Amino acid sequence: EAQVTQNPRYLITVTGKKLTVTCSQNMNHEYMSWYRQDPGLGLRQIYYSMNVEVTDKGDVPEGYKVSRKEKRNFPLILESPSPNQTSLYFCASTSRGDTDTQYFGPGTRLTVL
Amino acid sequence: AQKVTQAQTEISVVEKEDVTLDCVYETRDTTYYLFWYKQPPSGELVFLIRRNSFDEQNEISGRYSWNFQKSTSSFNFTITASQVVDSAVYFCALSEAKYSSASKIIFGSGTRLSIRP
Repeated sequence: EAQVTQNPRYLITVTGKKLTVTCSQNMNHEYMSWYRQDPGLGLRQIYYSMNVEVTDKGDVPEGYKVSRKEKRNFPLILESPSPNQTSLYFCASTSRGDTDTQYFGPGTRLTVL
Repeated sequence: AQKVTQAQTEISVVEKEDVTLDCVYETRDTTYYLFWYKQPPSGELVFLIRRNSFDEQNEISGRYSWNFQKSTSSFNFTITASQVVDSAVYFCALSEAKYSSASKIIFGSGTRLSIRP
């Protein structure tokens, strides 16, 4: 089954404690992205990647890092989380082709105290 | 600067009515992509459609249809004969770069659609 998985699904942490949200896809897609969703601010792109070792900033990259060492994985790293990074995070991968269909992970709800 | 405006914050209609969700965009690029996504109450995000700027043909998929008009910078989404399961927040989005869904994407603020039985 084609899918994008994210872990953890829920996380409560404290300010400054480094964390990683993993994202993995089993569709051999080249393209992957991270988004955050906040009430009143909607969806905003954090980072995207067009292939292994190729990443670029989205709209709100501050405070985040990503890596793409292999095609299937695109982890989101918060080196020193702060309360303003409390949000709902979505990972997505995209099939190239006529439709560029995006497949989203189930979301990770992060709370930083 | 690129921008996506969904002026309708919330829409509520009775089941079986047709409903149109508006999306107006701003971009200086000649090559761009437009998207619609659905987020049902369960919270997941579902990709609905991508349209590139060179293709102004209307798209129909079952009860869903999309009207892309470059002259008015609009990419409107119509649900025909709405059903309760269509209740969701719908997002319109714009990407300006060469590699559509992999590049920078800007989202509208979303329209919350409620379908009453």
